[in-house]
Amino acid sequence: ETGVTQTPRHLVMGMTNKKSLKCEQHLGHNAMYWYKQSAKKPLELMFVYSLEERVENNSVPSRFSPECPNSSHLFLHLHTLQPEDSALYLCASSGLGAGANVLTFGAGSRLTVL
Amino acid sequence: DQQVKQNSPSLSVQEGRISILNCDYTNSMFDYFLWYKKYPAEGPTFLISISSIKDKNEDGRFTVFLNKSAKHLSLHIVPSQPGDSAVYFCAAMHQGAQKLVFGQGTRLTINP
Repeated sequence: ETGVTQTPRHLVMGMTNKKSLKCEQHLGHNAMYWYKQSAKKPLELMFVYSLEERVENNSVPSRFSPECPNSSHLFLHLHTLQPEDSALYLCASSGLGAGANVLTFGAGSRLTVL
Repeated sequence: DQQVKQNSPSLSVQEGRISILNCDYTNSMFDYFLWYKKYPAEGPTFLISISSIKDKNEDGRFTVFLNKSAKHLSLHIVPSQPGDSAVYFCAAMHQGAQKLVFGQGTRLTINP
């Protein structure tokens, strides 16, 4: 596996479910990100982890809970979501310092909340 | 407050002609700018970037121009090819901040 891999690619869940999105990078990067892409909106930064420490939480509701157990893996735990949370969730990774300028994205997890 | 704006949601260009995609930003702290390209069912992929110390960067058919006084950048693709049909995102950051801010995207369609 190379690059940034996201699973599952598609997820349908009810508002009372608990699910998780997974991201894995094979690039030796030390920073990982979660972005949300809703229809006709810019990509919105949700969370940034640098060296496994959360350095950015962009006013994201607590029903989204990130976890970064090591520099290669990033999770987004989902619980009691709302239909408006339906979107494409993109994971990305980058180096640090000057290497942080360019993000490598995964293909995304398309989430539908019923 | 949207700091990076792409005011054209779509653009249609004839194959072989020049495609020009535009982007405006409001934050004067931004000093590094990127263009990403996204195909359906794939994540965005990095295309080209420019630092604020430059006003032009060229890579093959792709050239990015930066006008700092107008807080405007543009991406030129020439000649345009059918494989260039995708959504193009402009992004900006303050280097070291690890926070890339994206525009809404412009859907480019290259017609044969």
